[in-house]
Amino acid sequence: TQLLEQSPQFLSIQEGENLTVYCNSSSVFSSLQWYRQEPGEGPVLLVTVVTGGEVKKLKRLTFQFGDARKDSSLHITAAQPGDTGLYLCAARRATGRRALTFGSGTRLQVQP
Amino acid sequence: SAVISQKPSRDICQRGTSLTIQCQVDSQVTMMFWYRQQPGQSLTLIATANQGSEATYESGFVIDKFPISRPNLTFSTLTVSNMSPEDSSIYLCSVEDDRSVFEQFFGPGTRLTVL
Repeated sequence: TQLLEQSPQFLSIQEGENLTVYCNSSSVFSSLQWYRQEPGEGPVLLVTVVTGGEVKKLKRLTFQFGDARKDSSLHITAAQPGDTGLYLCAARRATGRRALTFGSGTRLQVQP
Repeated sequence: SAVISQKPSRDICQRGTSLTIQCQVDSQVTMMFWYRQQPGQSLTLIATANQGSEATYESGFVIDKFPISRPNLTFSTLTVSNMSPEDSSIYLCSVEDDRSVFEQFFGPGTRLTVL
């Protein structure tokens, strides 16, 4: 059973459209990170959220951490072809090991 | 953020052989991790490597198959032993930034193909 459920798995949209990616779990996390990975490269950290209800913005990207710290969302406004890539949510449990558990990933393709 | 390099970046190996992957960090870090990313998949943790102690392996991964060394605070190696085609994956080294325990950074990965 996947600890972190990410949806959708695949998304193909036109340039200029908006989209939201979801990351859900039944577990409580101490922190949650969003990464973007491009082919042939390692994941690149976009943002870390720690506090329940926290909202962070990174240019056209808006990240939200759920009030109960069990879920998160990533919203992209006016998507561009440069946003194409694999988006991964990853979380650290509230207790226990320090390593991250990763969601299944969302593969985004933005068509020009 | 820490800068992480991995060697080799890619390799093609024969079944039954072993490959050692190196991970070098530009600063001292306490926590290092090794992940595997199978084709088209997300990341799965192999083990946590702390300097001065045995690596801690996740369920499904054993030391005989994936021996790990952590001789100092800036370097680690992962060996993939007695390889089979099922070991074809990207292997990623990751570190936890000691200045911010919430954040983990990744190396560029090693793309391994086993024939």
